[in-house]
Amino acid sequence: DTAVSQTPKYLVTQMGNDKSIKCEQNLGHDTMYWYKQDSKKFLKIMFSYNNKELIINETVPNRFSPKSPDKAHLNLHINSLELGDSAVYFCASSLGQHNQPQHFGDGTRLSIL
Amino acid sequence: QKEVEQNSGPLSVPEGAIASLNCTYSDRGSQSFFWYRQYSGKSPELIMFIYSNGDKEDGRFTAQLNKASQYVSLLIRDSQPSDSATYLCASAGSGYSTLTFGKGTMLLVSP
Repeated sequence: DTAVSQTPKYLVTQMGNDKSIKCEQNLGHDTMYWYKQDSKKFLKIMFSYNNKELIINETVPNRFSPKSPDKAHLNLHINSLELGDSAVYFCASSLGQHNQPQHFGDGTRLSIL
Repeated sequence: QKEVEQNSGPLSVPEGAIASLNCTYSDRGSQSFFWYRQYSGKSPELIMFIYSNGDKEDGRFTAQLNKASQYVSLLIRDSQPSDSATYLCASAGSGYSTLTFGKGTMLLVSP
């Protein structure tokens, strides 16, 4: 029944490691997003994809690489993790363009030791 | 740079009162406006969206938009303790322009 699902919910790892977060939506949406919410709760877009095509890449370090195998999935791979990467990462989806309502997943809390 | 400004709060109201949450935006090209509710440790949940000047009502919630003043508000009538959360305002331009979020206003409704 889950509309936008992310895995894992929690990720604790050491600096320098590589990790991936997966996202899937069953809403029939064609646009998917990754957001980062920092410790001050500020929610900032990182990437968006429409029908597997990258639309937005908001000055994110190239250690972050999104991949969209199909329009229902958007994964995020992070290389060489740094302390500043600790945050909650949210996946979201919408039907059509960015000015349509977006539905969020439950988030992945990433903690770097 | 596109910005959405909100008072961080907390905004404290007694149960049953009207809570008024406000937001201003800098991009005159913004066309779509959203209010999300986020409980602590949870994901943002869409409450309302509004595209046209004026008021839009949905149950206890009313969104108000004034494009001339670049101002959006959310009114919550008959506030309940379960409404206690952070409310995020967001705006977007046309097409694939970025959805920009404010930093959120914390609302506390006391019984």
